[in-house]
Amino acid sequence: SQKIEQNSEALNIQEGKTATLTCNYTNYSPAYLQWYRQDPGRGPVFLLLIRENEKEKRKERLKVTFDTTLKQSLFHITASQPADSATYLCALEDGANNLFFGTGTRLTVIP
Amino acid sequence: GAVVSQHPSRVICKSGTSVKIECRSLDFQATTMFWYRQFPKQSLMLMATSNEGSKATYEQGVEKDKFLINHASLTLSTLTVTSAHPEDSSFYICSARVGTVHYEQYFGPGTRLTVT
Repeated sequence: SQKIEQNSEALNIQEGKTATLTCNYTNYSPAYLQWYRQDPGRGPVFLLLIRENEKEKRKERLKVTFDTTLKQSLFHITASQPADSATYLCALEDGANNLFFGTGTRLTVIP
Repeated sequence: GAVVSQHPSRVICKSGTSVKIECRSLDFQATTMFWYRQFPKQSLMLMATSNEGSKATYEQGVEKDKFLINHASLTLSTLTVTSAHPEDSSFYICSARVGTVHYEQYFGPGTRLTVT
């Protein structure tokens, strides 16, 4: 069966450090992988999309890598700030263009 | 940017009653809208995909007679939870896809449903 796993349910890091979140998937062959941010009691907010032929994508302090051989994406937040504290979700599309989400990692940046 | 609203943001209803949740795309036309459910500390689970003017497509395990979806216009989709039970209590989130760009989805703020 298809699975999307984010291996850390929770991650605590010190302000200023780089946070690295992992997303692993099985039984998908995605053309795209997306990362979203979700704050408590709110809907997800789109952050970044990376295509299967892209190894890396950057947006301000965010960096995403995509390894289709390992079936893994890494999401990095550099120079982390307390305002970055949130749950981060990776998401993949199935063949019908429906989006399926990973389990999420709750990031806490400690001042 | 593309904005999606949901109404109500919170609703409490008695067991056995029905409740309707609205999802609107405010500044764009959404040919496809999606409904998700999220239980505490869990990820979003896709319930159904709704295309304007046609019947919704439900994911496996989602009862279509219990979760009625109507996508009457390009800016409005509704989810009606019929004969609600306490186990239906959850956070319901809709999203809308912009035109034919299939990977751009914009999410609403969610509706917290509590069934007593």
